[in-house]
Amino acid sequence: EVQLVQSGAEVREPGESLRISCKASGYTFTSYWINWVRQMPGKGLEFVGRIDASDSYSTYSPSFQGHVTISIDKSLATAYLQWSSLKASDSAIYYCARADSGYGVDWGQGTLVTVSS
Amino acid sequence: QSALTQPRSVSGSPGQSVSISCTGTSSDVGGYKYVSWYQQHPGKAPKLMIYDVTQRPSGVPERFSGSKSGNTASLTISGLQAEDEAEYYCCSSVGTLIFGGGTTLTVL
Repeated sequence: EVQLVQSGAEVREPGESLRISCKASGYTFTSYWINWVRQMPGKGLEFVGRIDASDSYSTYSPSFQGHVTISIDKSLATAYLQWSSLKASDSAIYYCARADSGYGVDWGQGTLVTVSS
Repeated sequence: QSALTQPRSVSGSPGQSVSISCTGTSSDVGGYKYVSWYQQHPGKAPKLMIYDVTQRPSGVPERFSGSKSGNTASLTISGLQAEDEAEYYCCSSVGTLIFGGGTTLTVL
């Protein structure tokens, strides 16, 4: 069974750094991309970026380029989404998804990030 | 790239059919087969319901179907059931991913 288990809820202050994780199991991690998707409170889905787990090549939505970094650790079958300087507007639920031909076929449970002073 | 355009809400009675539209441009929805639909229940992660415009992943009921005409894709749910009440998002996967704004389906 494919599973994507995300790290728990986080609370940070503006300007702080953060890394959230997405641990994959039940499939060959390096054979698929991982997508990251944001959902702000009461709002719709937004594509953040994605990473090819075979070679760590990543692409980002223009809206997020330069503000977040996506990475992986093959040895842990884990993908990461990180910020070096959080803003209040980063408060949202972040989902990871195993991507097959670009489609999110299996999703994590989501990680709630709250940025508040 | 702008979000795809979906109606904010649709509704139907159990057993009826409803359709949700998703309008883009010739650079996304209209130009390629890479259109998908996701279902999201409150507090839950999205679930892929349709991909490549018309294809259903294993386990998705046959009453969910997808189509496309020009720059508009549609999701049709026939034989509406109470558990279909959810938010539905279309998505274009040309290069980057572009989601629609979401449609709330209410089963009356």
